[in-house]
Amino acid sequence: SQQGEEDPQALSIQEGENATMNCSYKTSINNLQWYRQNSGRGLVHLILIRSNEREKHSGRLRVTLDTSKKSSSLLITASRAADTASYFCATTRGSARQLTFGSGTQLTVLP
Amino acid sequence: SQTIHQWPATLVQPVGSPLSLECTVEGTSNPNLYWYRQAAGRGLQLLFYSVGIGQISSEVPQNLSASRPQDRQFILSSKKLLLSDSGFYLCAWSGGGYTEAFFGQGTRLTVV
Repeated sequence: SQQGEEDPQALSIQEGENATMNCSYKTSINNLQWYRQNSGRGLVHLILIRSNEREKHSGRLRVTLDTSKKSSSLLITASRAADTASYFCATTRGSARQLTFGSGTQLTVLP
Repeated sequence: SQTIHQWPATLVQPVGSPLSLECTVEGTSNPNLYWYRQAAGRGLQLLFYSVGIGQISSEVPQNLSASRPQDRQFILSSKKLLLSDSGFYLCAWSGGGYTEAFFGQGTRLTVV
């Protein structure tokens, strides 16, 4: 079952604009992760935020976490055409650290 | 450095035929291993995971099975494929001090 739900499902912006994607989850978490998937490829880990963190930055990425609302957002600043991909949030559960993914946001950055 | 290999990249199989997808990990020991399936335009569904040789946990009932004959080898199988088995299958690993998971490039399976 899907732990997280992304919003919006699809987002189209112009190069140079910022892109914001949101994720909601259902159960308590230790951390929340964001992954990127280029079309027809495997997923690549982008950034992890722990449950005791509220905001984290990595290059052009900024992630926020609101555990009271069970939600997270991923902001990509100064977007580039190469940022075109699907973005997924994921939470970890269980002894094997199984990831439960949201449904993803398809981001298209127009040149 | 750690790498994960998954093959084949694409596969077209007739209904009722068997399936074997293989995934191997290099550069780490005793990883947690996972098989995910992704339907078109959807998120990933966890099918199986393994914490050690011969230890397989299934997340959803289905026509597929998994095996881990060696520490860094994970195999997804079926005796008789169904049309509904079509999808994009992804192998992943975690562990070795890493919190995140590392994914293979996926196998696009089309059952015809």
